[in-house]
Amino acid sequence: GQNIDQPTEMTATEGAIVQINCTYQTSGFNGLFWYQQHAGEAPTFLSYNVLDGLEEKGRFSSFLSRSKGYSYLLLKELQMKDSASYLCAVMDSNYQLIWGAGTKLIIKP
Amino acid sequence: GAVVSQHPSRVICKSGTSVKIECRSLDFQATTMFWYRQFPKQSLMLMATSNEGSKATYEQGVEKDKFLINHASLTLSTLTVTSAHPEDSSFYICSASTGRDTGELFFGEGSRLTVL
Repeated sequence: GQNIDQPTEMTATEGAIVQINCTYQTSGFNGLFWYQQHAGEAPTFLSYNVLDGLEEKGRFSSFLSRSKGYSYLLLKELQMKDSASYLCAVMDSNYQLIWGAGTKLIIKP
Repeated sequence: GAVVSQHPSRVICKSGTSVKIECRSLDFQATTMFWYRQFPKQSLMLMATSNEGSKATYEQGVEKDKFLINHASLTLSTLTVTSAHPEDSSFYICSASTGRDTGELFFGEGSRLTVL
């Protein structure tokens, strides 16, 4: 079966760095996505990786290793507004998005 | 970026009535739109894939007669929850893609349905 694993919840301090991991097992691979979702709101797109390596976009970076079925989202200089759920999703060979359950990130002052 | 508008954002209805939720792509044509349901503290659950001009493809376990999806044009898809029951209360979200293999989805604001 297809499976996306990510931690349920993480806690970090304002100003610090946090890494949210995602491992996947899917039938085929056409890219990995990270979305941010604040409580009660729809998700918003953060990043897309289809090749191995690190993609940096401001305070957020996303890494992919296809051979290991592994990705992480790195958030630097954490701000209170970064408190949200972070969803990892993989596009399989049928171009269907398989969603992880999300990681709830709690930022403490 | 592309904009997807979803309406209504909140709806309260009585048990047994039907509710229609609209999803519009405002500045692009979406041949495919997706409808999700999200329970509290859980991830998105894909309900169906809506294709313009053809029948929707429903995920296993989703009742197609209960959740009617119509994709009448390249910019509009609708989800109708028929004969709603309290267990249908949930957060419903639509999304659209600008292309089959771009993957980046643009989400509507979501619709919170409460069935009394």
